[in-house]
Amino acid sequence: KQEVTQIPAALSVPEGENLVLNCSFTDSAIYNLQWFRQDPGKGLTSLLLIQSSQREQTSGRLNASLDKSSGRSTLYIAASQPGDSATYLCAVTQGGSEKLVFGKGTKLTVNP
Amino acid sequence: GAVVSQHPSWVICKSGTSVKIECRSLDFQATTMFWYRQFPKQSLMLMATSNEGSKATYEQGVEKDKFLINHASLTLSTLTVTSAHPEDSSFYICSAYPRDYIQGTQYFGPGTRLLVL
Repeated sequence: KQEVTQIPAALSVPEGENLVLNCSFTDSAIYNLQWFRQDPGKGLTSLLLIQSSQREQTSGRLNASLDKSSGRSTLYIAASQPGDSATYLCAVTQGGSEKLVFGKGTKLTVNP
Repeated sequence: GAVVSQHPSWVICKSGTSVKIECRSLDFQATTMFWYRQFPKQSLMLMATSNEGSKATYEQGVEKDKFLINHASLTLSTLTVTSAHPEDSSFYICSAYPRDYIQGTQYFGPGTRLLVL
């Protein structure tokens, strides 16, 4: 059974700092991996999707990497801003299924 | 862009009553929608896969008679929590993807927070 773990559970940084969020998964036979953002009491916004054949994806200040063989992904946020404060979720799919298996998330607070 | 709505956003009900939550794809047709549940400080957990015109597929441990899912059209899926109890209090989120989708592209609704007293 696939399990997704995210470390740390919470992170507080000053504005402008670069930071890394970590995600690991137990079964390396994934189809793709996604990073989402969730604001309090809200739905999810997809940030980056990495196919299993890819090693990284970039969007603006965000960069996600994938090491499928070791079961790890990182989300790098450059020059963090208070507006980046949210919970970041990592999720994987397997075998062409659209079912997402989520981690518990990392709650990020960026202090002005 | 693709938008998924949920109604209601908040619901408070008494124990023993039934609550219906709607999930709509506003600008695309969705043959498949997913229902997730999220308890405080926990992961989103998939409850069931809702398929238009057929029975839903439930994940292990989810009672199909308690969580009734109906996907009567390509833009609407409903989740009914029957005889709700306080332990059913949670955040329920649906997602959907367009028929001509790119693998992995799901669009999530804003969620419905259910509180059972």
